Amino acid sequence: QSALTQPASVSGSPGQSITISCTGPNSGVGSYNLVSWYQQHPGKAPKLIIYEGTKRPSGVSDRFSGSKSGNTASLTISGLQTEDEADYYCCSSVGGNSWVFGGGTKVTVL
Amino acid sequence: QVRLQESGPGLVKPSETLSLTCTVSDGSMSYHYWSWIRQPPGKGLEWLGYIFYSGSTNYNPSLKSRLSISLDSSKSQFSLKLSYVTAEDSAVYYCARGSIIGGFPIWGQGTMVTVS
Repeated sequence: QSALTQPASVSGSPGQSITISCTGPNSGVGSYNLVSWYQQHPGKAPKLIIYEGTKRPSGVSDRFSGSKSGNTASLTISGLQTEDEADYYCCSSVGGNSWVFGGGTKVTVL
Repeated sequence: QVRLQESGPGLVKPSETLSLTCTVSDGSMSYHYWSWIRQPPGKGLEWLGYIFYSGSTNYNPSLKSRLSISLDSSKSQFSLKLSYVTAEDSAVYYCARGSIIGGFPIWGQGTMVTVS
């Protein structure tokens, strides 16, 4: 199964909004809200920040939002803060019984 | 809050079998998918496979011939065995609890395994 496609890096200044795209040919991204997003700081385990395409787990800042259009899912970070500097990964369920991750996007706060 | 903890050797020789165990802190193995996910140094995440609480499994096709995941509910543990390892299998290995629509909300801290 092919990895989902994400930009290698995205940057923005504090207070700005940035968007990370996630494109996949599989039915998970295109047909259903089976996309999740993860934030990973160096040396730490990934943290779930978006599931079912648009939903935030309890405790996750509302500055993080998810959306989908066609075969592309997107993560938007609004009001960018220095602590948002991390790697971000999208993930999609495939066929209801497996998962595939995107290659990851490094977010830099300028 | 449930916690996951990986354990196992940090160094494995080429061609041997990598074995890891994940212990679930609250003992609740039911109604969840228990997955293994790895991350080579400086690279992205790769889903390896899962075992459902019923015992059914599914694996990443790229590893299917070398990978086995098992469950021991009595010990609140699930395990990974990856055979015939090479240097390309060197990675941080994470265990995680997930669901098809909910993603992976619970992760272990990860354990680094080096094949050398």
